[in-house]
Parts: sequence; structure tokens; C-alpha cells
Amino acid sequence: SYELTQPPSVSVSPGQTARITCSADALPKQYAYWYQQKPGQAPVLVIYKDSERPSGIPERFSGSSSGTTVTLTISGVQAEDEADYYCHSPDSGGYYRIFGGGTKLTVL
Amino acid sequence: EVQLVQSGAEVKKPGESLKISCKGSGHSFNSYWIGWVRQMPGKGLEWMGIIYPGDSDTRYSPSFQGQVTISADKSISTAYLQWSSLRASDTAMYYCARHFTGYDTFDIWGQGTMVTVSS
Repeated sequence: SYELTQPPSVSVSPGQTARITCSADALPKQYAYWYQQKPGQAPVLVIYKDSERPSGIPERFSGSSSGTTVTLTISGVQAEDEADYYCHSPDSGGYYRIFGGGTKLTVL
Repeated sequence: EVQLVQSGAEVKKPGESLKISCKGSGHSFNSYWIGWVRQMPGKGLEWMGIIYPGDSDTRYSPSFQGQVTISADKSISTAYLQWSSLRASDTAMYYCARHFTGYDTFDIWGQGTMVTVSS
């Protein structure tokens, strides 16, 4: 079955840059989306269509795509950015969508 | 304000049936796809399926096809997720979410419905 592969965890110190990757064969053909989820809360969209930022999302959140890998970058990480991050994308045929396994971002 | 309000937490026994709901307000409910997402305790998000309330066109993830039924009543701006026979492994938080055309993904989420299945 089709999968989006993320690292289980990423750790950075405040003010540093965090990069979270997501890999899958269909990513060159399908957009990726990123969600942030804090404990006990519903997910929040932080990046859509690989690199677009929804209104209200800080500029320190950005996205990029290269081949079979998409990357969520958080520049100047703040303590409040500590959360789980999920990539999300259609399957290769575009009929349904899946989430990656999630990456826990720890701010040291 | 655009909102999705889900029904309250449920505690059920294995084998029982259940239907949870997601009511939309503040937008044209029938013009947006509404999806359901499962999150088992301590685990990640799983895309279950999606419905277009305007015509009830429905798509399921292969992982959930035949396990649940997604439906909608456009007259009351409500989408549903139902089980005919619950299992302990259905214990999870279930979120509904609106698929916004401009972003081509979920932008507004419900608060979640916790379903606990235990004998």
C-alpha cells in the first residue's frame, strides 16, 4: 500500500531551523500538505500545495519539494512550535488521501 | 464563523452499532467535501474517507472500505460516520474536516469525537 515516510522525531534548540521530510514515490506528481497537531487539539494546516502558507500561519513556516521528498522548514523555531507534524498527500491515482506517520518536533 | 461541531463522546460495547455526527455552520455545507480522520490513542492521523453532501458522492480509503459508512443529510448540514458492529480496535478519536477547494485540503476541523469500545 502507498505510504508517506516521515522521521519519527526531530529535535532543535530555540532559534534554530527545523527541517521535517516526507518521502513517497508519487510526490513528484502530487501536492503535499502539512499539519501541526498539539496535544489534545485538532490538527492545523500550516502548508498547502507543497509551499503555500494559509493566512494566519507565521512566515517562519515554509515548504519545499524536490523529487520524491517534500520538506517542512521552520525557521527560528519557538517553544510554541513543539508539536507533531504530519504530511498529507493523495495516493498516486489521486482517488484518496493518506497521512504520513507523523514527526514529533521537540524544542530543546 | 465557519464551524464543524461534532457529537459527544461515546462509550460502547463490542458488537454494538454507532453513528456519530458533524454539523457544519457558517458556510455552504453542501458545496464542500467533508472528510473523516481517525486517530487511535497515541498514534497518528488516518484518512478514512470523504463525502460531498451535495450529491452524496463518497470515497473511502482502502483501509476503511467496508468497515465504516460515511453519509450526509444536506438538509441539516450534517455528515455522519457509522459502524454496524464495533470492535475494541475502533477505540479512537474521530475528526471531521472540511475540504476547502482553495487549499485543496482540509482547512477547518471539528473538535473530535472520542469513541471508546470496551466490554
